[in-house]
Order: sequence, then structure tokens, then C-alpha cells
Amino acid sequence: DSGVTQTPKHLITATGQRVTLRCSPRSGDLSVYWYQQSLDQGLQFLIQYYNGEERAKGNILERFSAQQFPDLHSELNLSSLELGDSALYFCASSVGQVANYGYTFGSGTRLTVV
Amino acid sequence: AQTVTQSQPEMSVQEAETVTLSCTYDTSESDYYLFWYKQPPSRQMILVIRQEAYKQQNATENRFSVNFQKAAKSFSLKISDSQLGDAAMYFCAYRAGRSEKLVFGKGTKLTVNP
Repeated sequence: DSGVTQTPKHLITATGQRVTLRCSPRSGDLSVYWYQQSLDQGLQFLIQYYNGEERAKGNILERFSAQQFPDLHSELNLSSLELGDSALYFCASSVGQVANYGYTFGSGTRLTVV
Repeated sequence: AQTVTQSQPEMSVQEAETVTLSCTYDTSESDYYLFWYKQPPSRQMILVIRQEAYKQQNATENRFSVNFQKAAKSFSLKISDSQLGDAAMYFCAYRAGRSEKLVFGKGTKLTVNP
């Protein structure tokens, strides 16, 4: 157990729907990162939050949004889902604003859009 | 833009033997960090080893070591005394010193034969 908790582990939904993925960072970590892992694109950085504030944004679609709450857990909202959004979504956390020592990853949420 | 290339989609090794996984990267930065992550079938992303670009000494972690060639922009991973539990996807990753995101290679699938 890495200490980073992601729920749910699996999610199957239909095109056009909206889902919310949840992440609880490792105790003491203030930064949360979201990554998407797909067969064609590999691992892609989506967004980072640090202590409740958006810190960096990567290849995140406008249909996707995220936030980090005062208790430091984070949610990734995916809307108007398309078949191509099917992927493994990882959350990771680190202590500081930059992860010099690498991230600690959760076990991911497998999203299947049908 | 920084890119990370893993030229070996698949590798295999006999148990107890040594294997080297290749990684090259492209950057104009002088301050950066390099990582190897392991993703077993459980899909958890596990940090194997990290290297700071300013350090000339190659990092080692038990049976895992790297060959960091800064001028050649090469960062290979050597696994000694391979074990069945080493079977996994291995991802090379790069982070610029002033960036929050990791840039990943496409991965190398390692099979360990008994």
C-alpha cells in the first residue's frame, strides 16, 4: 500500500456521462498530481494541485476539471465522456510543490467508456 | 519539448541473470531529474530509482543501478540477479528542475524466465 488511495478502482460508464474520480494523498503530502495512462498516448500529465491551489496544468481537456479540498483530497471530474477517454487514471502525491524525489502513485482508476 | 525514448518495447531475461533497459531523453535544460518506475500487473506505479543530473555518480538501489551518461543524454537501468518479481513494465521518466510534471517514455515490458 503506497498510502495514496484512489476510488473507485474500476468504473464503467456510457458515452456522454460524467464521472468523478477521487484521490486521497499520502499523509503529509500537500501536492496531488493527476495522470492519464492510455495505450496510444502513454502516461500523460493532466494537472497538479498544491495545498488547494492549481499549480500546473498539462494536457487536460476542457471537459475535464479537478479540485483539491481543504482536507487535501482531490477529485477529477470527467464530463461528456467519449470512447477515447477510456484509460487508467492515476493520482500521485508529494510533500512539496516539486517532486524532486519522485511521486508516490496510487493504484489507479480504470475507466471504461462504452 | 522534452521527450523520453525507450527503444526496447520488450525485453526478456533469465532468472538470476542481468538485464539492461535503455532510455534516452532530449532536453536543453541543465537542471533535471531522471527516474525509473516499475508497473507490475497490479498496475501500481513504483519508484525504482532516481538520479539528479548534477550528480556524476550513478545511483544504485540494491540490485538496481543506472548508467547515467549526461553528454549522451542516456539513462539506462541495470537489473542484477533478476527475480521473477521483477517482471513488469518499466518506465523511464524525466522532470525538468523547474517543472512539476514528469515526462514518461512508452515503457519496456520485462519478462523474467525461470
